[in-house]
Amino acid sequence: EVQLVESGGVVVQPGGSLRLSCAASGFTFEDYTMHWVRQVPGKGLDWVSLISWDSVTAYYADSVKGRFTISRENSKNSLYLQMNSLRSEDTALYYCAKDRRTSGWSYFDYWGQGILVTVSS
Amino acid sequence: DIQMTQSPSTLSASVGDRVTITCRASQSISYWLAWYQQKPGKAPKVLIYEASTLESGVPSRFSGSGSGTEFTLTISSLQPDDFASYYCQQYNSYSGITFGQGTRLEIK
Repeated sequence: EVQLVESGGVVVQPGGSLRLSCAASGFTFEDYTMHWVRQVPGKGLDWVSLISWDSVTAYYADSVKGRFTISRENSKNSLYLQMNSLRSEDTALYYCAKDRRTSGWSYFDYWGQGILVTVSS
Repeated sequence: DIQMTQSPSTLSASVGDRVTITCRASQSISYWLAWYQQKPGKAPKVLIYEASTLESGVPSRFSGSGSGTEFTLTISSLQPDDFASYYCQQYNSYSGITFGQGTRLEIK
């Protein structure tokens, strides 16, 4: 059974930093592109970032480019999101999501339960 | 960036109704489109990919169509479990990933 479990969400002050983690199991993690997607409670879905299976390719939404860094450790079946210079508008539920493809990107066939990040003074 | 516009934003319907949700892309995305269902407090679940391919395990009352810039998700006969929010997502290789703003399907 595929499982994605996010952790690291807390309340952080504007301008602060935070690192989210996602522990994956139930599939060959090193084979797949992985993503972070966020959702302000009660609002729509917002794609944040993706990373290729080999960490060679990483893309970001314009809203987080230069502030967030996605990474992965295939030996630990783990995905990360380093979030710097946080703003109030980054407050959201952050989902880790698995891509269906093993190269490039496509749609998300599995999602974690989400982790809440609150940016507030 | 490709913008995805979903309509309507809210849809009121009854059990047994046939409903259609539309998603329009600001430029052609071929058939690189997925549809998701999301229930309150839960992660989204994929229903349709490549515009019209039903994900394994999804009931056949769900169907998708379209290509280029206009796409539809149809539920042929609404069941109580179908009242939820629905999102389209484009994944054209040259244009990143974007979601539509969502459609909330509520009981009339």
